[in-house]
Amino acid sequence: GIQVEQSPPDLILQEGANSTLRCNFSDSVNNLQWFHQNPWGQLINLFYIPSGTKQNGRLSATTVATERYSLLYISSSQTTDSGVYFCAASKGGTASKLTFGTGTRLQVTL
Amino acid sequence: EAGVAQSPRYKIIEKRQSVAFWCNPISGHATLYWYQQILGQGPKLLIQFQNNGVVDDSQLPKDRFSAERLKGVDSTLKIQPAKLEDSAVYLCASSLDVRAYEQYFGPGTRLTVT
Repeated sequence: GIQVEQSPPDLILQEGANSTLRCNFSDSVNNLQWFHQNPWGQLINLFYIPSGTKQNGRLSATTVATERYSLLYISSSQTTDSGVYFCAASKGGTASKLTFGTGTRLQVTL
Repeated sequence: EAGVAQSPRYKIIEKRQSVAFWCNPISGHATLYWYQQILGQGPKLLIQFQNNGVVDDSQLPKDRFSAERLKGVDSTLKIQPAKLEDSAVYLCASSLDVRAYEQYFGPGTRLTVT
């Protein structure tokens, strides 16, 4: 199956700082999603991005499918951005189960 | 549009007891997934349904876990008997179908086995 690796595992930022989270995957994919898991455990969809670039407010993501990596950019971080960020990938179709990385734990301090 | 609903949100049971979780996917979503998330790890798929048929249950511990989606809408996941290592968050997700890949997750059920 697909292997998904995320880096860094932990990140501490001061409010207002920018950050880049990385996701490497081992095979071609038809689905690549970024999630934010809040302190209550809810997985919130950030981006569905098997290729290309998307932006949503202070967040943006880029996936370079040919090189098998995706990046999540957080600009002007806020304390509410704290939590765990997961990247997940699948090949789609009957193999559409998502394989998750181990996550990046982000803490934004005042 | 209502999201994926799950209940209960929390459950505490003793080992060897049984427990059941319920999931109602987003209306019109044909594909339903159950994931298990152990503390400190990413979610891991237990079972995937397409309508009321099982697509993938290769990681479901079938000696103690069972799941059904009889009418192709709601689903239940059961554990009988529970073990200490079953303590985890059980997440339900749905997608339009297997070709529409974006998955949406419910709030999860946090299970503690004592």
